[in-house]
Amino acid sequence: AQSVSQHNHHVILSEAASLELGCNYSYGGTVNLFWYVQYPGQHLQLLLKYFSGDPLVKGIKGFEAEFIKSKFSFNLRKPSVQWSDTAEYFCAVNAPNNDMRFGAGTRLTVKP
Amino acid sequence: DAGVTQSPTHLIKTRGQHVTLRCSPISGHKSVSWYQQVLGQGPQFIFQYYEKEERGRGNFPDRFSARQFPNYSSELNVNALLLGDSALYLCASSASGDIQYFGAGTRLSVL
Repeated sequence: AQSVSQHNHHVILSEAASLELGCNYSYGGTVNLFWYVQYPGQHLQLLLKYFSGDPLVKGIKGFEAEFIKSKFSFNLRKPSVQWSDTAEYFCAVNAPNNDMRFGAGTRLTVKP
Repeated sequence: DAGVTQSPTHLIKTRGQHVTLRCSPISGHKSVSWYQQVLGQGPQFIFQYYEKEERGRGNFPDRFSARQFPNYSSELNVNALLLGDSALYLCASSASGDIQYFGAGTRLSVL
């Protein structure tokens, strides 16, 4: 069965610091990969997605993620975080026609 | 355009009762999925429906059931509620089944 692991439960950064959130999945076939963000009091929103092609994908608000097939990883990055990036971040994986599996989430707190 | 709408936003039930949660997808989306999100965890997949047919089912007991109507809206039903069913229930819709757009959820508290 598919599973998704997010390495960090809670990350605390100061503004302008760089961010990298880890995500690993266990599935041997072709997968679609996603990062979703949940801002305080808001619903889940899609940050970025990878289906195929260039393994470095760019999303909204300056976020990017790199798919490394050999490592079964899809880490999220941002060069310089802002206070408004404070949120919970979820990595998700689904194989075509299969259900979507989410990681447990990483809570990011950015101190002004 | 309206996003995914869910009703009610909050619900309080007692153990043993039954609950029905409702979801209206984004206009034009034919697929609806349901998730349970317990505090401190990621969403757990319950069901996916596409064109009124069940396409996927997660590891949930038979007390959980769902259906999709001809207008693509959906209901999630939970029978014989347990304390452990207290959670945020999320509905997501998609056009193709890949990119899912989430509603704000229904917060269910079972006392």
